[in-house]
Amino acid sequence: EVQLVESGGGLVQPGGSLRLSCAASGFSFSTYYMSWVRQAPGKGLEWVANIKQDGGETKYADSVKGRFTMSRDNAKNLVYLQMNGLRAEDTAVYYCAKEAHYYMDVWGKGTTVTVSS
Amino acid sequence: QSALTQPRSLSGSPGQSVTISCTGTSSDVGGYNYVSWYQQCPGKAPKVIIYDVSKRPSGVPDRFSGSKSGNTASLTISGLQAEDEADYYCCSYAGIYTWVFGGGTKLTVL
Repeated sequence: EVQLVESGGGLVQPGGSLRLSCAASGFSFSTYYMSWVRQAPGKGLEWVANIKQDGGETKYADSVKGRFTMSRDNAKNLVYLQMNGLRAEDTAVYYCAKEAHYYMDVWGKGTTVTVSS
Repeated sequence: QSALTQPRSLSGSPGQSVTISCTGTSSDVGGYNYVSWYQQCPGKAPKVIIYDVSKRPSGVPDRFSGSKSGNTASLTISGLQAEDEADYYCCSYAGIYTWVFGGGTKLTVL
């Protein structure tokens, strides 16, 4: 079964850091782009970042550029999102998604990040 | 990276058809035939229902269809059913491996 399971969410103070993980199974992980998408409470979906199959290229939304870093470990079928300088507006459910050919075909259930003092 | 524009809410009665619009620019919706639509039920992860403007993944009923004209994409749900009540999001490729989502449409089945 194709599956993505996110972890690492929690409560963090403004300015703090958090690292999210996403464990992939059931597909050839190293051959797909992977993305992070977030959803603030009561709001819509926002694409955050993605990473090329070999980890050699990453792209970010303007809202997180310079603060978030996405990486992957193809040996462990894991993708990460390192979040630094967190702000209240980063509070959201963070979803990991597998990119098929120009769409996101598999999503995890999400992990919740709350930035608050 | 401005969000695509969708109506915030729509409603329809069982059996009716509804169409959700998604307006972008020539840099996203109008520039590529890579518009996808996602259905999100309360408390659940999004699920793809349309990709490449008009293609349906296996298992998605043919009541769901997609189209595009210029900078506007559309999702049509025919023969509306109670279980179609959900939030719907469009998403477009925006070049150099970046993506932009719509603000979402809350569909109510009366």
